[in-house]
Amino acid sequence: DAKTTQPPSMDCAEGRAANLPCNHSTISGNEYVYWYRQIHSQGPQYIIHGLKNNETNEMASLIITEDRKSSTLILPHATLRDTAVYYCIVRVARGDDKIIFGKGTRLHILP
Amino acid sequence: GAVVSQHPSWVICKSGTSVKIECRSLDFQATTMFWYRQFPKQSLMLMATSNEGSKATYEQGVEKDKFLINHASLTLSTLTVTSAHPEDSSFYICSATGYDEQFFGPGTRLTVL
Repeated sequence: DAKTTQPPSMDCAEGRAANLPCNHSTISGNEYVYWYRQIHSQGPQYIIHGLKNNETNEMASLIITEDRKSSTLILPHATLRDTAVYYCIVRVARGDDKIIFGKGTRLHILP
Repeated sequence: GAVVSQHPSWVICKSGTSVKIECRSLDFQATTMFWYRQFPKQSLMLMATSNEGSKATYEQGVEKDKFLINHASLTLSTLTVTSAHPEDSSFYICSATGYDEQFFGPGTRLTVL
């Protein structure tokens, strides 16, 4: 079973920051928080991952709470192309470890 | 960046026929590949783990005789849906491990008439 809890859907106005929450209260010390997204009829796309420090890349920022039991993915200036299902996953940082997807959050960007 | 391709991107077949889907890592070698299935408005469901040169490991409830997986080289894994039926219609996605990370293919949409 997926180890994370996400809201099923969210709306965000175009140009505003989209903040997607994720709860992972049973995360282990060696598990990272990963975020992927899936645009309709495409394969999942990696966004960002982190262990305990906040991370930022060209796509998004990841804020992890100090106790590591929850995190927030931030898309700073959402566009219509960011409409997708966003998956928060906790896993060890090993490529051959299988990924179990939960239901994710369906993000709608409103024009 | 690491690229994973799938072929075909979509396929329509008649009930009872077999369909082969290819997953290729284009610019890296992948010792492990994964196969997922996704029904409309649902999440990805892991079907099996494919390791180069050995038998695939199937998740509980996935019929290994129906979904044949072959990982014959470090850049190619194939999924064959045997005796396909309309309930096998789905979006099939593979991922390949490289640089200690997983990279996903674009998916193959299978429609069984």
